[in-house]
Amino acid sequence: DAKTTQPTSMDCAEGRAANLPCNHSTISGNEYVYWYRQIHSQGPQYIIHGLKNNETNEMASLIITEDRKSSTLILPHATLRDTAVYYCIVINFGNEKLTFGTGTRLTIIP
Amino acid sequence: GAVVSQHPSWVICKSGTSVKIECRSLDFQATTMFWYRQFPKQSLMLMATSNEGSKATYEQGVEKDKFLINHASLTLSTLTVTSAHPEDSSFYICSASGRGLRNEQFFGPGTRLTVL
Repeated sequence: DAKTTQPTSMDCAEGRAANLPCNHSTISGNEYVYWYRQIHSQGPQYIIHGLKNNETNEMASLIITEDRKSSTLILPHATLRDTAVYYCIVINFGNEKLTFGTGTRLTIIP
Repeated sequence: GAVVSQHPSWVICKSGTSVKIECRSLDFQATTMFWYRQFPKQSLMLMATSNEGSKATYEQGVEKDKFLINHASLTLSTLTVTSAHPEDSSFYICSASGRGLRNEQFFGPGTRLTVL
């Protein structure tokens, strides 16, 4: 599976949009981009995933560049409860093994 | 969404004893379950993958005789840490995937093990 690169940490003001970038320049054509987050001392929570089209659900939006070498997770109106470590993972559909990198520690500032 | 539970949520044991952690899928049939370990301030590391009714597949460096995994039914997998030592103290997390769940993994809340 392709390796991902994320900033170690980010801050965002409460109520603003949080934009979390992820680089996956070695992604192959059949690999999906998944985002999970982990709130302190809890199990990871699925957020969203996509292949090449932008995706939106009730939690977030995922913007994937046309060349698929990078993506951005957008939390449109961040709240304090969005403080967590966010993991961007690239995986083949059908290969269920998730490889977690170091993720981005997002802190929402009141 | 699909719900995965773990029991216990935390456990403290003496060195040399064995500890069993349960992982249950509450509202779906989990064809595959995964066990992860997470040390403080580190990321999750996959320990093993188990499919219902078959032997678990362990990741490199994980001792299969020390970390016994049983996936006896489509809703239950257990991880037994045998002869636990202080260095086994960690946060153990399971996840599960099943048919019709779009290849998503659903994670349990984790079990914090402390070995004295």
